[in-house]
Amino acid sequence: KQEVTQIPAALSVPEGENLVLNCSFTDSAIYNLQWFRQDPGKGLTSLLLIQSSQREQTSGRLNASLDKSSGRSTLYIAASQPGDSATYLCAVYNNNDMRFGAGTRLTVKP
Amino acid sequence: DTAVSQTPKYLVTQMGNDKSIKCEQNLGHDTMYWYKQDSKKFLKIMFSYNNKELIINETVPNRFSPKSPDKAHLNLHINSLELGDSAVYFCASSPPGRNLRNEQYFGPGTRLTVT
Repeated sequence: KQEVTQIPAALSVPEGENLVLNCSFTDSAIYNLQWFRQDPGKGLTSLLLIQSSQREQTSGRLNASLDKSSGRSTLYIAASQPGDSATYLCAVYNNNDMRFGAGTRLTVKP
Repeated sequence: DTAVSQTPKYLVTQMGNDKSIKCEQNLGHDTMYWYKQDSKKFLKIMFSYNNKELIINETVPNRFSPKSPDKAHLNLHINSLELGDSAVYFCASSPPGRNLRNEQYFGPGTRLTVT
């Protein structure tokens, strides 16, 4: 049974810092991994989708990497801004099921 | 121009009632989903559905049933509501292809409170 873990659970950084969020999963036989952000009381916004054959995806200041063999993904955020404050969730798909981590709550202080 | 919309945004009801949550997407996607986010913020898939296949998570009680009047809508019906059904329910959709292999677009969520 796939389990998805995100570390740390919460992170607070000053504006301008580069940061890394971690996601690990127990079953490496995944088809894809997706990173989302969730703002308080809001839905999920898809940030990046990495297919199992890919090693990374980039969008603006965001870069997500995937290492299937070790069951890990990282989300790198460059030059963080207060508007990046949100909860970041990773989700993996395999066996017709999608599993989410509990998320990392990021606070970027001005 | 909302991509995936849900109504209502908040729903407060008593135990034993039957309620529905509506979901609509205007993205032309052919696969839609329902997720439940519990108090610990874990998101769990409940159903994925397109016009060919309904996949039900086996842990979902049969009090929950998806109903799709057309490709753009997937409503969630819940019978005999229980306290443990209190959660935020999210609808999502994805483009044609192999279901969860494609990027998903989420609605804003419906916060259900059962008293």
